[in-house]
Amino acid sequence: GAGVSQSPRYKVTKRGQDVALRCDPISGHVSLYWYRQALGQGPEFLTYFNYEAQQDKSGLPNDRFSAERPEGSISTLTIQRTEQRDSAMYRCASSFATGQPEETQYFGPGTRLLVL
Amino acid sequence: EDQVTQSPEALRLQEGESSSLNCSYTVSGLRGLFWYRQDPGKGPEFLFTLYSAGEEKEKERLKATLTKKESFLHITAPKPEDSATYLCAVLGGSNYKLTFGKGTLLTVNP
Repeated sequence: GAGVSQSPRYKVTKRGQDVALRCDPISGHVSLYWYRQALGQGPEFLTYFNYEAQQDKSGLPNDRFSAERPEGSISTLTIQRTEQRDSAMYRCASSFATGQPEETQYFGPGTRLLVL
Repeated sequence: EDQVTQSPEALRLQEGESSSLNCSYTVSGLRGLFWYRQDPGKGPEFLFTLYSAGEEKEKERLKATLTKKESFLHITAPKPEDSATYLCAVLGGSNYKLTFGKGTLLTVNP
């Protein structure tokens, strides 16, 4: 079946521009997560949704970062006024639920963001 | 705060040379320890979930084990296609966010 999909796969933008990254989770998965992965590191948590509710946004670096999941399916991570330090791989993951054993998180291919 | 340390950072094996990767963790109330495989340019691919000390899981040439402080990923008679970065992550307490280690880069030479 279809896995987690993300778009665009690559995004090059100029400093100061806004960007929107999209995540389409596995069908039926109620939990959705955003992570950021630097080269040579494991993914680091940004935010988590249960259905359409943003339950935790403690990993968002600052108020330029926001995320939404208005209908409990597709999610968008928005970065306003991008800075060069925002350049990274942004990964989305989804899980069936948040109770054992359904909470295994499945990852998408990621969006590589480059801010010039 | 949950912490995960993986060792070694990199491991080079000859085809057929078995070895183990280590994942040491500290977590308050382990709800699951996860192993992922990541190929260059791709997202982490799920391998195993372990829930309690003493649990073991196998898949082809891979076997994951768990104690109260660490997990091992044993690779038996590896093949070049097993070359990848192997990531370990924990889910603990009332969190729902995975805490990852930095990974072990495994290279298997033919």
